Amino acid sequence: QKEVEQNSGPLSVPEGAIASLNCTYSDRGSQSFFWYRQYSGKSPELIMSIYSNGDKEDGRFTAQLNKASQYVSLLIRDSQPSDSATYLCGGLDSSYKLIFGSGTRLLVRP
Amino acid sequence: ETGVTQTPRHLVMGMTNKKSLKCEQHLGHNAMYWYKQSAKKPLELMFVYSLEERVENNSVPSRFSPECPNSSHLFLHLHTLQPEDSALYLCASSRTSGSGTGELFFGEGSRLTVL
Repeated sequence: QKEVEQNSGPLSVPEGAIASLNCTYSDRGSQSFFWYRQYSGKSPELIMSIYSNGDKEDGRFTAQLNKASQYVSLLIRDSQPSDSATYLCGGLDSSYKLIFGSGTRLLVRP
Repeated sequence: ETGVTQTPRHLVMGMTNKKSLKCEQHLGHNAMYWYKQSAKKPLELMFVYSLEERVENNSVPSRFSPECPNSSHLFLHLHTLQPEDSALYLCASSRTSGSGTGELFFGEGSRLTVL
């Protein structure tokens, strides 16, 4: 059973802090990973993708991938209340199906 | 506006009814998906259509029947549903090739309640 695991949270951080969201996956054949943000009552939207080991930065967001440890993370710098949402980690398996974790709820306190 | 439109946004049906969910994408993508989202559970992939052919049927009960008449439209036909089928049904689209299949564009979802 291919799985993507996330802590459900909520992860609570003060405004301006760095929020660190983590994800582990079981399928060593997974090569590509994706972070989606889902606001309450809305559908998921893609915010970051990462395909190789290391860091990938996009504005306040940094995705990190460590394939040896089967670990993916998302860092949000200078967190804002508008970042409060559920963050879904997804891994593309060897048959190109996107497997999602159950999501981590982030709460940024003003 | 993601370029993926779902109707209806809300649907209440009895267990003996037949209804359909509709999805339309204006992004020029060749793959379309149905996902089910229930509370406290991961998004569950139900069906995948690539170039109008069904390439995935993820052990979904036969009371859910998908239809993809062309690369822009996707339907989910519902009949004899159970109360545990109540959930948010999300349609998504993507390119068909390689890692592009992980970059999904979701519709706003159809909230289904089965009485």
